[in-house]
Amino acid sequence: DQQVKQNSPSLSVQEGRISILNCDYTNSMFDYFLWYKKYPAEGPTFLISISSIKDKNEDGRFTVFLNKSAKHLSLHIVPSQPGDSAVYFCAAPSGAGSYQLTFGKGTKLSVIP
Amino acid sequence: EAQVTQNPRYLITVTGKKLTVTCSQNMNHEYMSWYRQDPGLGLRQIYYSMNVEVTDKGDVPEGYKVSRKEKRNFPLILESPSPNQTSLYFCASRSTSGSPLFYEQYFGPGTRLTVT
Repeated sequence: DQQVKQNSPSLSVQEGRISILNCDYTNSMFDYFLWYKKYPAEGPTFLISISSIKDKNEDGRFTVFLNKSAKHLSLHIVPSQPGDSAVYFCAAPSGAGSYQLTFGKGTKLSVIP
Repeated sequence: EAQVTQNPRYLITVTGKKLTVTCSQNMNHEYMSWYRQDPGLGLRQIYYSMNVEVTDKGDVPEGYKVSRKEKRNFPLILESPSPNQTSLYFCASRSTSGSPLFYEQYFGPGTRLTVT
């Protein structure tokens, strides 16, 4: 059973517009979420996170929104830039001590110049 | 520079030929982990280690072994590789001290393995 779901495998956005990447989760025990970005031929790198005590966290062009009642979070990128083209993974700490990360399947974002 | 390194980056091998993928981190992290990434399946955890001589299975451990004899190293061993282990493998590490809310893991650059 997939506990973290990213239902859109891909997304194309024009440069300068907003990119919205979505993530749903089923485990109500999850209380922290992270977004990772992955370029081809590189490992994933941490982008932004949010704790369940917040509903929004912002870092420059990146904002993550959390809707606990809907078990839904989204990553907004404004404005989108060609360098943002990558695969984005949503993840939640899980397991004993919450040291493991449960990942979604990822969304490939393409920002068109 | 803080980093996780993996070797080799690319490997083509044949079914049944034992291989080891090395992973090393220079951040003195207690926790290390191996993931595999497959198209349409995202990142799935293979094995993890909470500290030296402490390892445990992740979600997809079949066909893999690990060892943690030193804090900085966490090799992944495929004793008899099969074609279904063709994948992109990532090693990751994180600290278990400090704020419990800091859940970031640091990933290596990946090892692309092809088993024919």
